[in-house]
Amino acid sequence: DTAVSQTPKYLVTQMGNDKSIKCEQNLGHDTMYWYKQDSKKFLKIMFSYNNKELIINETVPNRFSPKSPDKAHLNLHINSLELGDSAVYFCASTSGGNQPQHFGDGTRLSIL
Amino acid sequence: GENVEQHPSTLSVQEGDSAVIKCTYSDSASNYFPWYKQELGKRPQLIIDIRSNVGEKKDQRIAVTLNKTAKHFSLHITETQPEDSAVYFCAASYNDMRFGAGTRLTVKP
Repeated sequence: DTAVSQTPKYLVTQMGNDKSIKCEQNLGHDTMYWYKQDSKKFLKIMFSYNNKELIINETVPNRFSPKSPDKAHLNLHINSLELGDSAVYFCASTSGGNQPQHFGDGTRLSIL
Repeated sequence: GENVEQHPSTLSVQEGDSAVIKCTYSDSASNYFPWYKQELGKRPQLIIDIRSNVGEKKDQRIAVTLNKTAKHFSLHITETQPEDSAVYFCAASYNDMRFGAGTRLTVKP
């Protein structure tokens, strides 16, 4: 009965590979996010989707492509992985801009 | 867009002492101010929030204050315990939420 679930929890891969992270929420929220948290712990927003439509696209390399098949899912595909992509990626969802965000458990991505 | 600054970046206190973390925001339209606690290896979790129509809110040992005129808000933790050790994030939101850079709180037993 996890509210926001991400898979996989850990992802270890070689530089240059392509990988995907999946996120699903069962809270009925319309808005979902992807955040990147580096070793300094800063939570940097990457993308925001509202009801399957892209709302926020921060300065993120176009190697990162989000996809929202429906409002309960927001997946993140990363092409040509680089060392600097190593981080923890968090998915979150909310019912509105002035409501709490609920975070998934994170995906720790390590690039060798 | 909104810009949130958070201080201090690290804070160390003795068990039983109080801890205060301060944040400022730039967008006067922001009307929702949550605080999140992130324990090591875990996800950020909401611990308390405040809306712009109130100046203070308390929940047991934690309290938040909001000064809309000065555009700053603070988290107060009293009688700190070792399990309060974590990274704390403030955030401000109107349509889009923006987070502060985080404060690493260490409570020494």
